Amino acid sequence: NAGVMQNPRHLVRRRGQEARLRCSPMKGHSHVYWYRQLPEEGLKFMVYLQKENIIDESGMPKERFSAEFPKEGPSILRIQQVVRGDSAAYFCASSQGPMNTGNQPQHFGDGTRLSIL
Amino acid sequence: AQSVTQPDIHITVSEGASLELRCNYSYGATPYLFWYVQSPGQGLQLLLKYFSGDTLVQGIKGFEAEFKRSQSSFNLRKPSVHWSDAAEYFCAVVGYSSASKIIFGSGTRLSIRP
Repeated sequence: NAGVMQNPRHLVRRRGQEARLRCSPMKGHSHVYWYRQLPEEGLKFMVYLQKENIIDESGMPKERFSAEFPKEGPSILRIQQVVRGDSAAYFCASSQGPMNTGNQPQHFGDGTRLSIL
Repeated sequence: AQSVTQPDIHITVSEGASLELRCNYSYGATPYLFWYVQSPGQGLQLLLKYFSGDTLVQGIKGFEAEFKRSQSSFNLRKPSVHWSDAAEYFCAVVGYSSASKIIFGSGTRLSIRP
């Protein structure tokens, strides 16, 4: 299966710890997106990255959250000093090109469920 | 600002009955429109998409959707539902001016009555 791979599937952290979520895009995809889904809600855009560049981070909280997509390896969403309100499902998606250049739908991974104790 | 409204939070239909899930969008130009399905504990699977051309779009699993510009709608339909269709359905939009953001509706949970 060459789909979008996220790990871990479930992550438990205590308040104040760091959470690292990983995303490997589909083969041939160089555009990665992160979304957050709170319980009983739809997905909310967080950040859009291409290799080594953050293109749009307008959905990222101003503090404690960061994302990267290095030249080699997966994209990482990092949450520092986690709080209870960070508990959510975090989804990664990838596409071959930008969404508005034609037939470039985003393909989603199965998500990481983050629980904060 | 772009937005997507799914007015039905939860719908229950009988197996074999027809289905229509409503979606209305707000966007100044013709948007790109999508329907995704999410099973419990899973990611989102793309059912179908509209970029241009024929306003009636066929998707996977027997689903179709019709883009109606005059009504700013993109309703999802299926003539006969199966128990395996029980899931959460999300309508989504992305616009020409945004290369990145998919704006999702809040979702419609579909339950199937045996």
